[in-house]
Amino acid sequence: EVQLLESGGDLVQPGGSLRLSCAASGFTFSSYAMSWVRQAPGKGLEWVSSFNAIGGNTYYADSVKGRFTISRDNSKNTLYLEMSSLRAEDTAIYYCAKGRPSGKGLDYWGQGTLVTVSS
Amino acid sequence: EIVMTQSPATLSVSPGERATLSCRASQSLSSNLAWYQHKPGQAPRLLIFGASTRATGIPARFSGSGSETEFTLTISSLQSEDFAVYYCQQYNNWPQTFGQGTKVEI
Repeated sequence: EVQLLESGGDLVQPGGSLRLSCAASGFTFSSYAMSWVRQAPGKGLEWVSSFNAIGGNTYYADSVKGRFTISRDNSKNTLYLEMSSLRAEDTAIYYCAKGRPSGKGLDYWGQGTLVTVSS
Repeated sequence: EIVMTQSPATLSVSPGERATLSCRASQSLSSNLAWYQHKPGQAPRLLIFGASTRATGIPARFSGSGSETEFTLTISSLQSEDFAVYYCQQYNNWPQTFGQGTKVEI
């Protein structure tokens, strides 16, 4: 059974930093692209970042480019999101999601971890 | 960036009725579109990928159609568990983008 468990969400001050983790199990982690998607309070889903399985390419939404860094440790079956220069508008539930083969959609999602940016 | 526009924002339907949700892309996606269902407090659920292929375990009452810039999600006979917010997502280009969602309510 595929499981994705996010952690690391917290209350942080504007300008601060935070690292989210996503522990994966139930599939061959190294073979699949992984993504982060967020949902701000009262808003819709927003794709944040993806890390391809092959080639190690990473992609970012314009809203987080230069501030967030996605990484993965295939030996630990874990995906990370390093967030810096946090803003109030980064407040959201952050979901980790597994990519389908060939990147056609996100077929498994975690329950999310809440990041609150406030003074 | 490809802009995804969903309509309507809210769809009010009765159980057993048919629901038709639309998603329009600002440029051609071929068939590189997915649909998700999202309920409060739960993880989003993949319904459709490749514009028309149901994901594993998705009931046959959910169907997707369309290509290029116009896409539709149809729920043939709404069940109580289908009341949720539905999102389309394009994965044809980076950055990937979601529509703003359609809330299906009773």
